[in-house]
Amino acid sequence: AQTVTQSQPEMSVQEAETVTLSCTYDTSESDYYLFWYKQPPSRQMILVIRQEAYKQQNATENRFSVNFQKAAKSFSLKISDSQLGDAAMYFCACVANSKLTFGKGITLSVRP
Amino acid sequence: KAGVTQTPRYLIKTRGQQVTLSCSPISGHRSVSWYQQTPGQGLQFLFEYFSETQRNKGNFPGRFSGRQFSNSRSEMNVSTLELGDSALYLCASSRGTAQETQYFGPGTRLLVL
Repeated sequence: AQTVTQSQPEMSVQEAETVTLSCTYDTSESDYYLFWYKQPPSRQMILVIRQEAYKQQNATENRFSVNFQKAAKSFSLKISDSQLGDAAMYFCACVANSKLTFGKGITLSVRP
Repeated sequence: KAGVTQTPRYLIKTRGQQVTLSCSPISGHRSVSWYQQTPGQGLQFLFEYFSETQRNKGNFPGRFSGRQFSNSRSEMNVSTLELGDSALYLCASSRGTAQETQYFGPGTRLLVL
């Protein structure tokens, strides 16, 4: 079984600034992947970034990067140069054995 | 490639009725998973189908069932609807290996009156 915890329900960031969203997880599996998904008001769940647990190097996708601390079971998302279109709900998720477990999500607002 | 599609997008039913939701995965994807999203419970895993077989199941009552066809399209059925079944139902597809990335459809919003 796995659990994913996102303790901050809401965050706000000024446009063009950087924000970090926190996530911790727990799993008994040795082979797992971690994800951040974005869900804008349209409700379409969009993949932001993926991290394979066996890789030490932190994943990066343009303005999005992660800080993966395997020993601490921590997986935070950093958004650089925040844009208005980044406003959405962000979910941290863990998949092992084809079962995807989500955190509760965090609502990110971007101030112009 | 076309993305994951779900039909219908919106549905209104009354208590006691049953409903069937449909999901067409990305071409080449053999795994389809279903999730229920509500404000109170967040995103909860319902079940996963791979090659027409249920491979994983979440903690939902037997009123929730599903199936997958040979073309990988999947349907989810909820019988004897309850008010608490009102939710956004999301379908996701993947190629099917254990840690594969899942890609989501736009969801079906179900309202039970």
